[in-house]
Amino acid sequence: QKEVEQDPGPLSVPEGAIVSLNCTYSNSAFQYFMWYRQYSRKGPELLMYTYSSGNKEDGRFTAQVDKSSKYISLFIRDSQPSDSATYLCATSRERGYSTLTFGKGTMLLVSP
Amino acid sequence: KAGVTQTPRYLIKTRGQQVTLSCSPISGHRSVSWYQQTPGQGLQFLFEYFSETQRNKGNFPGRFSGRQFSNSRSEMNVSTLELGDSALYLCASSDSGGTQETQYFGPGTRLLVL
Repeated sequence: QKEVEQDPGPLSVPEGAIVSLNCTYSNSAFQYFMWYRQYSRKGPELLMYTYSSGNKEDGRFTAQVDKSSKYISLFIRDSQPSDSATYLCATSRERGYSTLTFGKGTMLLVSP
Repeated sequence: KAGVTQTPRYLIKTRGQQVTLSCSPISGHRSVSWYQQTPGQGLQFLFEYFSETQRNKGNFPGRFSGRQFSNSRSEMNVSTLELGDSALYLCASSDSGGTQETQYFGPGTRLLVL
C-alpha cells in the first residue's frame, strides 16, 4: 500500500461549485500536511500547510485533517476556471521537506 | 524577485547516455532540492544541497548525483540513462530554514529517454 493515496481524477465541475479533494495516508507518524497546486508545465506551489488535526482556512480554500481516520481534505468554495490544475497532497513526519511524501495528484477541471 | 529557473526545459536522450540538468535558486536561497515526478510514482525526493554539501538524500540509485556551487546554483546528473528515467525533474529552493513553508519550485526539466 502506498503511503499516500489520492484519486487521480479528472474531477470536472462547473464554475461556482464547491470542490472536495481528498487523500488518505497510512503512516500514523505523519504530523504535517500540505496541499500543492500544479498548473500545466509549471512546478507545484504550496497552497495550504497544517500541523496535526483540525481545519485551516485561507480565502476560498479550507484544509481539513482527521488524524483518527488518516484522511486529508481540501475544499474550494466558489470554484473558478483558474482553479483548473492538479492538486497534490503531501505529508511528512517532520518540518523538513526531505521526508515529504506526496500523493500522485488529482486533476481538477472547472468549466465556465 | 526572480523565481527558481531550470535549464533546459526539455531534453531528449537515448538509453545509456548521461544528462546534466541545471537549477538557479531564488536569490539569497542556499538550499536546493531535486525531485522526480512521474505519472506512476508521483513526486519523489531525490536529494538536497545546502552550502555546497548534500544534506539529505532520497531513495534513488547512485546513477543520480548532484552538486552545488558557491553561488548556490545546482546541477543534477543522471548517468547510464534508462527508459524509466523519463520524468519531470523539479528543483526547489529554500532559505536556510529548510521547511516546507519556505520551499519554492521551479518549472522543471522534462526528460525523455528513448
